Amino acid sequence: AQSVTQLDSHVSVSEGTPVLLRCNYSSSYSPSLFWYVQHPNKGLQLLLKYTSAATLVKGINGFEAEFKKSETSFHLTKPSAHMSDAAEYFCVSWYSGNTGKLIFGQGTTLQVKP
Amino acid sequence: EPEVTQTPSHQVTQMGQEVILRCVPISNHLYFYWYRQILGQKVEFLVSFYNNEISEKSEIFDDQFSVERPDGSNFTLKIRSTKLEDSAMYFCASGPGPNQPQHFGDGTRLSIL
Repeated sequence: AQSVTQLDSHVSVSEGTPVLLRCNYSSSYSPSLFWYVQHPNKGLQLLLKYTSAATLVKGINGFEAEFKKSETSFHLTKPSAHMSDAAEYFCVSWYSGNTGKLIFGQGTTLQVKP
Repeated sequence: EPEVTQTPSHQVTQMGQEVILRCVPISNHLYFYWYRQILGQKVEFLVSFYNNEISEKSEIFDDQFSVERPDGSNFTLKIRSTKLEDSAMYFCASGPGPNQPQHFGDGTRLSIL
């Protein structure tokens, strides 16, 4: 069965330092993967998506993620954290089939300290 | 940029009552979804809806739940005879196709007392 595992429930970084949010997926084939961000009291906003075109995917707000099939990973990175990046981040897999069902990881809370 | 809108933002209901959560998807989208997130847990898929019928539902989505697109713009989730464990954040999403990124609303926080 497909699953997505986010390896850290909480990550704390200082403003201006790199961000790394880790995600591993479990699938018998190359999945479609996404990162969504949720700011307090807001909905889920798409950061970036991987759909087997390029393994390094660039998203909004300076975030990017690299799909590594050998490691079954899709980690999210950003070179320099900003205070506005503090939010909940979800690694998400699109379930195979024709209905578009999404499978969510547990979420990682990113704290950015001044 | 068009967005998915959900109302109300917060709903408080007595256990056993019926509740209807409302969503207005993006107008040219064809696929509609409901997800929920119980406090401290993962976001879970409830149901997908296409061409005026349910295309997939999770095991959570039992006879207590129903969805409807009554007028071509709204997409509603009805929960009959609510239980304490129905308390959660409910997210509506829509997408142009089944393998296209979904756009989410801000959610409705449902509190069952």
